[in-house]
Amino acid sequence: EVQVLESGGDLVQPGGSLRLSCAASGFPFSSYAMTWVRQAPGKGLGWVSAIGGGGIDIYYADSVKGRFTISRDNSRNTLYLQMNSLRAEDTAVYYCAKMAGLDYHNYYMDVWGKGTMVTVSS
Amino acid sequence: QAVLTQPPSVSGAPGQRVPISCTGSSSNIGAGHDVHWYQHLPGTGPKLLIFHNNNRPSGVPDRFSGSRSGTSASLAITGLQAEDEADYYCQSYDNSLGGWVFGGGTKLTVL
Repeated sequence: EVQVLESGGDLVQPGGSLRLSCAASGFPFSSYAMTWVRQAPGKGLGWVSAIGGGGIDIYYADSVKGRFTISRDNSRNTLYLQMNSLRAEDTAVYYCAKMAGLDYHNYYMDVWGKGTMVTVSS
Repeated sequence: QAVLTQPPSVSGAPGQRVPISCTGSSSNIGAGHDVHWYQHLPGTGPKLLIFHNNNRPSGVPDRFSGSRSGTSASLAITGLQAEDEADYYCQSYDNSLGGWVFGGGTKLTVL
């Protein structure tokens, strides 16, 4: 079964750090781009970051650029999101998703996890 | 404010047809980038409904269909069922932002 499972969400103070993980199974992990999408309480979905299958092509939303770092370990079939200098507005459920499509301009997310909650509060 | 504009809510009676619009600009949908649609139920991960404007993944009923024209796209749900009650999101790529973008989401209520 193709699936992804997020972990690492927690309560953290403003200015703190947290690392999220996403374990993938059921598909050739290194062949696919992966992405993080978040949903703040009461809000819609917001794209956060994406990484190509080889880990070279990396993209960030402006709201997290310079604070978040996406990476992957293809030997462990795992995606990561290192989050530093966390702010209250980063509070959200963070979803990991597998990307698919013919070219990156037309990528979509075809496999999603259930999400992990990150709360930034003192 | 979301880059792609969707109506906050729509509603319909069982068996009816409801459309959900997604309006973008020349830097995303109007640039020729495909539109994709997701269904999101509380407490779960979003589910892919339509990809590349009008394609359904296996397992998605043909009651769901998508279209794209100019700077807009639309999701249509026919034969509305109680289980269709959920939030729906459109998604595309934006050249100006250099990343993927979502609509603000539409809450579908089945009366």
